[in-house]
Amino acid sequence: DAGITQSPRHKVTETGTPVTLRCHQTENHRYMYWYRQDPGHGLRLIHYSYGVKDTDKGEVSDGYSVSRSKTEDFLLTLESATSSQTSVYFCAITNERNTEAFFGQGTRLTVV
Amino acid sequence: SQKIEQNSEALNIQEGKTATLTCNYTNYSPAYLQWYRQDPGRGPVFLLLIRENEKEKRKERLKVTFDTTLKQSLFHITASQPADSATYLCALDDQAGTALIFGKGTTLSVSS
Repeated sequence: DAGITQSPRHKVTETGTPVTLRCHQTENHRYMYWYRQDPGHGLRLIHYSYGVKDTDKGEVSDGYSVSRSKTEDFLLTLESATSSQTSVYFCAITNERNTEAFFGQGTRLTVV
Repeated sequence: SQKIEQNSEALNIQEGKTATLTCNYTNYSPAYLQWYRQDPGRGPVFLLLIRENEKEKRKERLKVTFDTTLKQSLFHITASQPADSATYLCALDDQAGTALIFGKGTTLSVSS
């Protein structure tokens, strides 16, 4: 299995609070991605990174920011959580862009 | 924008039969298409990638076809087993190559 871990695995937070999710990889893969998965929508890309300090927006980036200061870590921040951000968040890594993605175990975030 | 449709939300078959899942896409034809398996509470797991110049690809009991004229991929599981029960996702690049777009998935249930 690819070495990719997400933390925390579960989180409940209140509306308006900041939340940071962490993705850590030990594969030295260049590309890292954050997706959210919701019933009826499937997996949707939030942000991705193509190298240290190189990031770009995905389909559903509003309300989210990311940072990648080291190859192995990709952080997703919700600056002010809203109930619409209740979801399961997955981090993924690829060696080449958009091929053979390895996913983390997911983070279930509930905003109350 | 590129869209993916996985025609069936759910497919129920008997053990030993062949399961066939369909993935259709619109607009441009991608250079390759991928299939993933997702079990409840876990991240997707990469299964197969098929390129546009490959009509068919096999891996053990799995077979994938890619018809760029019909804009369709078929995913077959032969001699299906209850352990094959899961949600199967197809995925491909958007035209800009910035995102991996996933279908909503087909949930396969194999009964013994």
